[in-house]
Amino acid sequence: GDSVTQMEGPVTLSEEAFLTINCTYTATGYPSPFWYVQYPGEGLQLLLKATKADDKGSNKGFEATYRKETTSFHLEKGSVQVSDSAVYFCALSDRGGSYIPTFGRGTSLIVHP
Amino acid sequence: EPEVTQTPSHQVTQMGQEVILRCVPISNHLYFYWYRQILGQKVEFLVSFYNNEISEKSEIFDDQFSVERPDGSNFTLKIRSTKLEDSAMYFCASSGGADSNQPQHFGDGTRLSIL
Repeated sequence: GDSVTQMEGPVTLSEEAFLTINCTYTATGYPSPFWYVQYPGEGLQLLLKATKADDKGSNKGFEATYRKETTSFHLEKGSVQVSDSAVYFCALSDRGGSYIPTFGRGTSLIVHP
Repeated sequence: EPEVTQTPSHQVTQMGQEVILRCVPISNHLYFYWYRQILGQKVEFLVSFYNNEISEKSEIFDDQFSVERPDGSNFTLKIRSTKLEDSAMYFCASSGGADSNQPQHFGDGTRLSIL
């Protein structure tokens, strides 16, 4: 079946630092990757998504490019803020299989002032 | 913006007892889901529900679990006889369609603690 691997956390950064959270996947069909974010005490919120190879999803200063050749969808942000502290989940929906997304383990991001 | 709401936010139950977790999906959504997240582990799919029946379920969703849409707004998850290993965060989600272009909207979760 499909699987998603993302870097283990926590990732600890100072405000305005550059962020990368790696995500790679294996999929049997036609994957559509997502990033979800979970702020403390809240549910998962869709952050961004991509639907085809080389698509770049972006939202709130975050970006991720769907790289089919490296089966990756790494999350980046040029300058993080304290309010970005949350858990970030990479997920994959496979149009050739089940549309139910497969989630990674989540990466905790802690941003210090 | 409409949102998925879940109650209670925290449920503490004795092992062996039945528990019902409640969810109110977004009103014009047709597809409903339950997930769980054991502390420190990944979010795991339990079940999806459409047109008043289960459309897909995982191996976790055994005979101890059931789902119901008792009226036009609520979507419930019942665990018949809880076990210690059922302790987890349970998330409800809903979507307008069943494809990757219709992302799921999640509630804030119910933390279930089994004693």
